[in-house]
Amino acid sequence: DTEVTQTPKHLVMGMTNKKSLKCEQHMGHRAMYWYKQKAKKPPELMFVYSYEKLSINESVPSRFSPECPNSSLLNLHLHALQPEDSALYLCASSQERTADTEAFFGQGTRLTVV
Amino acid sequence: DAKTTQPNSMESNEEEPVHLPCNHSTISGTDYIHWYRQLPSQGPEYVIHGLTSNVNNRMASLAIAEDRKSSTLILHRATLRDAAVYYCILRDVLNSGYALNFGKGTSLLVTP
Repeated sequence: DTEVTQTPKHLVMGMTNKKSLKCEQHMGHRAMYWYKQKAKKPPELMFVYSYEKLSINESVPSRFSPECPNSSLLNLHLHALQPEDSALYLCASSQERTADTEAFFGQGTRLTVV
Repeated sequence: DAKTTQPNSMESNEEEPVHLPCNHSTISGTDYIHWYRQLPSQGPEYVIHGLTSNVNNRMASLAIAEDRKSSTLILHRATLRDAAVYYCILRDVLNSGYALNFGKGTSLLVTP
């Protein structure tokens, strides 16, 4: 199984809502990532988890709260978002601490904040 | 972080070879050169990677300059399904660089 599964595929939420994005992989990867991608722009790194611990936070606002409950699962909790947070949110995974392997990406969750 | 420079866009005819260039003049000795592509409405997908030697796989070939300051992704016969944004990324495990940091990429248009 070489898939990274993201749910939901689409999400519309109000600015006062709380929602969560979910990402799952069963490749035994110990590095997992969240990216944000605006239309016609490259993906921007948000968070990196290494062995279920947060290792990189690219100065992301606290209204985005990542969580890695186990080695296969990565969540992104959303609270009090703004319309400008509307974007495609991508999850990825790779073997940890090596640059000599590929990373696998999910198909993303398209988030609309109204 | 070492940076990459790619043309914004390129165009190719179907069934012809495509050479996508990438400049990385500040590459370090431990940087791997990775290529990913992103088809419309999909997540990025891995294409190929290498360190010093040229690499081939079922999708493409990667030609790396002898001084490693540039590389070229080669699609041997472009198809319409190869229309995508292609990203050249340097990945270095020594500086927490195992995370992929995307540049602007090259948007490849393939015409019939």
